[in-house]
Amino acid sequence: EAEVAQSPRYKITEKSQAVAFWCDPISGHATLYWYRQILGQGPELLVQFQDESVVDDSQLPKDRFSAERLKGVDSTLKIQPAELGDSAMYLCASGPRGSLDTEAFFGQGTRLTVV
Amino acid sequence: GNSVTQMEGPVTLSEEAFLTINCTYTATGYPSLFWYVQYPGEGLQLLLKATKADDKGSNKGFEATYRKETTSFHLEKGSVQVSDSAVYFCALRGGGYNKLIFGAGTRLAVHP
Repeated sequence: EAEVAQSPRYKITEKSQAVAFWCDPISGHATLYWYRQILGQGPELLVQFQDESVVDDSQLPKDRFSAERLKGVDSTLKIQPAELGDSAMYLCASGPRGSLDTEAFFGQGTRLTVV
Repeated sequence: GNSVTQMEGPVTLSEEAFLTINCTYTATGYPSLFWYVQYPGEGLQLLLKATKADDKGSNKGFEATYRKETTSFHLEKGSVQVSDSAVYFCALRGGGYNKLIFGAGTRLAVHP
């Protein structure tokens, strides 16, 4: 069964350092999402890609976060510099091209701890 | 903008009890509605969905009905099991580029 792959599973970094997360969506999925899930809360959408283009990044803290999806396949989310408040689970999801009734498929997530 | 509101947890039940987790939404247009479940240590997975008013989604004994008149999508199960212990998220897809947004989640704990 096809899955969304994320790495690393866990990351501990010091504040002010740079950190990056990688996501490989299900093959053929045009839409890719990055969510941040703070402990005890629901996932918050950070950025949504359609192919290689960003279609929504309204909640992305652009002064420190960046995301790219070169060639419209895998994606990288970067934080520089990391802050203590960035400690959270970072979830990647993918789905078929922009259909209203299709589900998004989630990876296992990367748990980030900033110390 | 669109939003989803869920009842706060945790919800604690004995095995075989009836479960209801409330979910209401605010949206323009005609969104699709979803329930996702997150078991301990795992990622989110789809539990059920409904794509238009009066549709009922169902899976693994869980069901939810898309009620446009009350803007609700409450999750129900007639008899819960210990293995149902997890966090349940109500979600909505709609708006520009069919953005998928989530509620805060409701933790369910089922005791033998």
